[in-house]
Amino acid sequence: SAVISQKPSRDICQRGTSLTIQCQVDSQVTMMFWYRQQPGQSLTLIATANQGSEATYESGFVIDKFPISRPNLTFSTLTVSNMSPEDSSIYLCSVHDVGGSGNTIYFGEGSWLTVV
Amino acid sequence: ELKVEQNPLFLSMQEGKNYTIYCNYSTTSDRLYWYRQDPGKSLESLFVLLSNGAVKQEGRLMASLDTKARLSTLHITAAVHDLSATYFCAIWIYNQGGKLIFGQGTELSVKP
Repeated sequence: SAVISQKPSRDICQRGTSLTIQCQVDSQVTMMFWYRQQPGQSLTLIATANQGSEATYESGFVIDKFPISRPNLTFSTLTVSNMSPEDSSIYLCSVHDVGGSGNTIYFGEGSWLTVV
Repeated sequence: ELKVEQNPLFLSMQEGKNYTIYCNYSTTSDRLYWYRQDPGKSLESLFVLLSNGAVKQEGRLMASLDTKARLSTLHITAAVHDLSATYFCAIWIYNQGGKLIFGQGTELSVKP
């Protein structure tokens, strides 16, 4: 199984600032995803982080607001830019190793952001 | 429109009772996932169902998949308080390389 570390685990951010969340996996994985979970809601996919190319964003999410990097097969970052209180959410990194022996999709512990 | 719908969204059970959570989805998928989320925690993988008729059991939880009906069920047997959590189903779709689409979640509360 993959072990995923996310940093920061929690943060309180000022309106208008930006924060970068890091996701580190203990093994090389094919696919990495970033999800948002607003309070009391389900998970919504923000984007698929592609190694060596631009991320693929879902409808309603744009690169200027949520720039993503994926420099290699074990690491990705998500930046939440120009934050507003509506960005207060849990941000979750998820990985799926398409070439692995299983089909399990793992989630990191999440980064809990509160924007004030 | 692509939808994954869970029913019920809220479930209050007594310990020892049985109940079923339903997950309907609107598009073709041959992979369905069940996750558990405790308050303040991330998602814990419970089951991965990969084919029509698949059934998996772990403790008091049993999940099944009917791809023809586009329906999965999560059956709880003799509920205990420790099962109180939010349960999510999600389907894997192959658009743009593949991604998970989640249901709304079912908040389960098991009372003594």
